[in-house]
Amino acid sequence: GAVVSQHPSRVICKSGTSVKIECRSLDFQATTMFWYRQFPKQSLMLMATSNEGSKATYEQGVEKDKFLINHASLTLSTLTVTSAHPEDSSFYICSGEDGNTEAFFGQGTRLTVV
Amino acid sequence: QKEVEQNSGPLSVPEGAIASLNCTYSDRGSQSFFWYRQYSGKSPELIMFIYSNGDKEDGRFTAQLNKASQYVSLLIRDSQPSDSATYLCAVKLANKLSFGAGTTVTVRA
Repeated sequence: GAVVSQHPSRVICKSGTSVKIECRSLDFQATTMFWYRQFPKQSLMLMATSNEGSKATYEQGVEKDKFLINHASLTLSTLTVTSAHPEDSSFYICSGEDGNTEAFFGQGTRLTVV
Repeated sequence: QKEVEQNSGPLSVPEGAIASLNCTYSDRGSQSFFWYRQYSGKSPELIMFIYSNGDKEDGRFTAQLNKASQYVSLLIRDSQPSDSATYLCAVKLANKLSFGAGTTVTVRA
């Protein structure tokens, strides 16, 4: 299957700082990228959907000013968690689609805010 | 009502047995259905997808879909200790995936 590279895999940051997570499709063009968040023992919750060159569409309850998503090219999307707080600590996962049925997931980023 | 429901488990099966996982979904307009495996601390890996009623087999895995009953299942034959993981059912509607909470499977050696 196609490869989506996500990094960093782990990050620890201080409360109030911002963290950027990158998601790259290595061998296909991701027309759509999705960002998910997963808390312990829970399932993946979709945060937002982004299409290259346009603004992201956020799910209800997700603050767009806090979780900034940029999808500047067909191979790169970024999620920036601004002014992070301990309750933002979670496992963040991106996925990319090439327009077909299957979504390809990145390796995930474990964010810990202290 | 949750969009996608799964028994949380844990489901414990002996090595070599069949593990049977179930999933129901609420929206009849759902178009395609996926089973993912997720190891602790890792992102999901696709096992298989199905979008037509009936069975689809891939190696030791068989997915079954019944759209009338809004039900999709996954059978794992000849279960191995390496199959111990959380299995996520996901349903696609309007280009979005909705995930169930997952069923934790433990295969006893």
